[in-house]
Amino acid sequence: DIQMTQSPSTLSASIGDRVTITCRASQSISSWLAWYQQKPGKAPKFLIYKSSTLQSGVSSRFSGSGSGTEFTLTISSLQFDDFATYYCQQYNSYPITFGQGTRLEIK
Amino acid sequence: EVQLVESGGGLVQPGGSLRLSCAASGFTFSSYWMHWVRQAPGKGLVWVSRINSDGITTNYADSVKGRFTISSDTAENTLYLQMDSLRADDTAVYYCARSGQRDSRFDYWGQGTLVTVSS
Repeated sequence: DIQMTQSPSTLSASIGDRVTITCRASQSISSWLAWYQQKPGKAPKFLIYKSSTLQSGVSSRFSGSGSGTEFTLTISSLQFDDFATYYCQQYNSYPITFGQGTRLEIK
Repeated sequence: EVQLVESGGGLVQPGGSLRLSCAASGFTFSSYWMHWVRQAPGKGLVWVSRINSDGITTNYADSVKGRFTISSDTAENTLYLQMDSLRADDTAVYYCARSGQRDSRFDYWGQGTLVTVSS
């Protein structure tokens, strides 16, 4: 199974900050990586696929990059609505696996 | 508008069974792969199972293989998860999610249904 490791586990930031979350795969997954945002008690929301392609309707403040084993999610100019938990997911091969999550909290 | 609505969760004793349903609307159900993903309380997301658009080809996580069965009814636009021999560590919110046929990114999710396995 491909293991996905996110860092940091928790990130404290302020409104207006630019933040970056890293996701590492235990083996190459090409660009088959997605990112999701989840708020407490809610289903995950699909943000980015194929490492860097923004899902329709998602704010352009979100961007993704990377290929192979190392990927990043960047949020520019944090807004209040962005404070949530973020997960990466590889869909290169089954079983599909997720990172453990990065909780983005207000400083 | 795409909608996925899960039902069937509840409290069940260890060793018991439960069947979850996911009613789909707003898209051509038979053209997509469907999945179950679960999330234990306070924990991360874990993929559970997938069924292809043919309604026949399936995959399972090792942790549920032999105990859970995924199925679909394209006439009713409904996805199912039959869960047998339930254990305490199966306690989680279960989400159904949709993906395309060419890759398994989850573009739509249901609201989830809570399964609690406890005596």
